[in-house]
Amino acid sequence: DSGVTQTPKHLITATGQRVTLRCSPRSGDLSVYWYQQSLDQGLQFLIQYYNGEERAKGNILERFSAQQFPDLHSELNLSSLELGDSALYFCASSVALGGPKNIQYFGAGTRLSVL
Amino acid sequence: ILNVEQSPQSLHVQEGDSTNFTCSFPSSNFYALHWYRWETAKSPEALFVMTLNGDEKKKGRISATLNTKEGYSYLYIKGSQPEDSATYLCAPGGYQKVTFGTGTKLQVIP
Repeated sequence: DSGVTQTPKHLITATGQRVTLRCSPRSGDLSVYWYQQSLDQGLQFLIQYYNGEERAKGNILERFSAQQFPDLHSELNLSSLELGDSALYFCASSVALGGPKNIQYFGAGTRLSVL
Repeated sequence: ILNVEQSPQSLHVQEGDSTNFTCSFPSSNFYALHWYRWETAKSPEALFVMTLNGDEKKKGRISATLNTKEGYSYLYIKGSQPEDSATYLCAPGGYQKVTFGTGTKLQVIP
């Protein structure tokens, strides 16, 4: 158990809908990262938050947004869903913003199926 | 850091065989390289973090080396066991952000 909690584990929805994925980082971790893993693809970095502020952005679509709350949990909002958004979404947390020992601890993921 | 390449994409070895795979990356703006192990139906777990040219890390039967000047890292597994079956991801990066490779999927056949 990494200490990172993601909910829900599975989500099935229809095209055009909006969903929210939730992540609680390990106790003491200030950084939260979101990744997308589509079929036969690697981990695609979406966005990073550190202590409530957005600090890095990857290949995140405009239809997607995220935030990190004062209690450090984070939510990833996906709207106007398309079939191609079906993927496994991982959250990871780490203690710092960066640095050589900034290991990321991953949650179990949320599997999103858009029908 | 973009353009992280891992090879081979997949690998089947017999139990007891030793094996190795490669992670290649642009050497500019390099700060650290992470290796992660990702078992099926689980989450990626960190194996090693390396920063210095010539670094070598070891954890049991698994070891890794780093060459930052030429931009590559090797991961070695000695005497592979079925429980080593997993996808091995490398993630080189700058101070803040790492980029994950697509991984090498290892299957150890009993």
